[in-house]
Amino acid sequence: GESVGLHLPTLSVQEGDNSIINCAYSNSASDYFIWYKQESGKGPQFIIDIRSNMDKRQGQRVTVLLNKTVKHLSLQIAATQPGDSAVYFCAENTELIQGAQKLVFGQGTRLTINP
Amino acid sequence: DSGVTQTPKHLITATGQRVTLRCSPRSGDLSVYWYQQSLDQGLQFLIQYYNGEERAKGNILERFSAQQFPDLHSELNLSSLELGDSALYFCASSVGSGRASNEQFFGPGTRLTVL
Repeated sequence: GESVGLHLPTLSVQEGDNSIINCAYSNSASDYFIWYKQESGKGPQFIIDIRSNMDKRQGQRVTVLLNKTVKHLSLQIAATQPGDSAVYFCAENTELIQGAQKLVFGQGTRLTINP
Repeated sequence: DSGVTQTPKHLITATGQRVTLRCSPRSGDLSVYWYQQSLDQGLQFLIQYYNGEERAKGNILERFSAQQFPDLHSELNLSSLELGDSALYFCASSVGSGRASNEQFFGPGTRLTVL
């Protein structure tokens, strides 16, 4: 079945430290994942995505790692800043039929940056 | 600011009532998606429209319906409201309909409270 879950509901890190948010998925056929950031009172915001033909993808201060063997992905945020405080979701982007897609979201991890 | 607008921002109503949530996609986007975010169910896909036509359905109740108009704005109608319908409702939009290079941009959401 389809499910996307997270290992920890909350994570606190010191400003300037690196943070790692983990996510597990169950469907071995899943091939496209996206990380979203949701700040209080706002909608989810795209951070970075990765397809199953890649193990790693880097953006600005963020890196996503995909381990298809154990069906696990992680989001690494380098040198965290107060503005990184938010809830982070991993999501699987599923193509239902050609021209139709849906996102299946995990439960989210609340990241708190301590000064 | 994602460019997706949603109205109203907050809505308080009573059980058994009917409400309409409105979404205007980003300029140029033809697809609109509706999601429900609740504490117990998390973020769940409801329905997708592309250029006025329904493309995909998710966990949308029969009491809920949606449509996309010729000007591409969309409305989500919720009827016979129950306490459990209290949630944040997000609209997202994308340029195309499938997964390829079609990032979904989320609006700020409508918070529905059913008393």
